[in-house]
Amino acid sequence: NAGVMQNPRHLVRRRGQEARLRCSPMKGHSHVYWYRQLPEEGLKFMVYLQKENIIDESGMPKERFSAEFPKEGPSILRIQQVVRGDSAAYFCASSPRTSGQGIYGYTFGSGTRLTVV
Amino acid sequence: SQQGEEDPQALSIQEGENATMNCSYKTSINNLQWYRQNSGRGLVHLILIRSNEREKHSGRLRVTLDTSKKSSSLLITASRAADTASYFCATSKETSGSRLTFGEGTQLTVNP
Repeated sequence: NAGVMQNPRHLVRRRGQEARLRCSPMKGHSHVYWYRQLPEEGLKFMVYLQKENIIDESGMPKERFSAEFPKEGPSILRIQQVVRGDSAAYFCASSPRTSGQGIYGYTFGSGTRLTVV
Repeated sequence: SQQGEEDPQALSIQEGENATMNCSYKTSINNLQWYRQNSGRGLVHLILIRSNEREKHSGRLRVTLDTSKKSSSLLITASRAADTASYFCATSKETSGSRLTFGEGTQLTVNP
């Protein structure tokens, strides 16, 4: 049973390009969460998705960032027109279900380290 | 200051000693979780304690939760060099569904 799979592990983009980060949740998990981690800091929540639905995007920057979790395939975090400040590690986590109050620990992927040059 | 603050920021101990890390938070929570992160890697879930629980054990880990003080502690007994990592607490609020709020972490170094 593979864990949460994220790819690519490392991504280098020039300013102005688009970055696409993929996350495949654990088998049987229907809830996906994206977090961003800046160097020497904790993780900051970005967005929470279920299949074909965005449940909570309160942590997403208003512009350039979008996320989706289609019926088939991985969840995608898309960053358009990247800037240097977008350089960070982006982590995806999944959980099997929730009572609405997060009674399960999350399984995290190994992250995608985005570097904008 | 942020929800989920760890204390200390960095801790260095000798192998075999116990390591205690503390976490404070501000709002009411449904549960509090502790995660470990090795350098350059993802997070590994260690333990979850619910707001109606006061103490929980898992192997060499012991977590306490004091909701009146809005604080939690993680104790690692008989530490090993392999315990060297960053440790984060994360809280789940009652009304925010599954969203986790992480602290800034404690960097633990266990010297052989």
